[in-house]
Amino acid sequence: GNSVTQMEGPVTLSEEAFLTINCTYTATGYPSLFWYVQYPGEGLQLLLKATKADDKGSNKGFEATYRKETTSFHLEKGSVQVSDSAVYFCALSGGSARQLTFGSGTQLTVLP
Amino acid sequence: DADVTQTPRNRITKTGKRIMLECSQTKGHDRMYWYRQDPGLGLRLIYYSFDVKDINKGEISDGYSVSRQAQAKFSLSLESAIPNQTALYFCATSDQQGYQETQYFGPGTRLLVL
Repeated sequence: GNSVTQMEGPVTLSEEAFLTINCTYTATGYPSLFWYVQYPGEGLQLLLKATKADDKGSNKGFEATYRKETTSFHLEKGSVQVSDSAVYFCALSGGSARQLTFGSGTQLTVLP
Repeated sequence: DADVTQTPRNRITKTGKRIMLECSQTKGHDRMYWYRQDPGLGLRLIYYSFDVKDINKGEISDGYSVSRQAQAKFSLSLESAIPNQTALYFCATSDQQGYQETQYFGPGTRLLVL
């Protein structure tokens, strides 16, 4: 079945540091890949997505590239801000029902 | 106004009680989902529905049931709550367009079973 393995947290960075959160997946067929973000006390929000190999999703300074050869979709940001503190989930959409399979989430804390 | 709403936002109940969590959406989407979130486990799919007449079990459906009362409403029931059902529950909707399906989540219901 489908699965997503995500970098374990928590991750603590200083403001303006470079961020990478690793995500690898196992899936049959051609899944779509997503990063969702969960701010404290809120539901999940779509951060970015990519639907085919070599696509790059980007939003709010975050980027991730769909790498089929390494089955990866790592999240990066060049300069994090305190407001980026949240839990980040990698997910894939696959199977006949196109349901989402989530990674375990990575807690990011950015210190001023 | 929020596109996906959940009620209640917080609920405390006792073992053996029946409870219902409700989800409503104004996005006009056909597909609706119920997930639970546990620390360190991400989100796991409980049930999903592709339209009013379609209900499907997800990864962890035991102990739960659902009702799709209308396109906009999808309720989750715990027939006899037990402590290991303590979790954060999310409803989501989607409108599949090819393979670019994106799910939109409600704010969640925090459930504590004593």
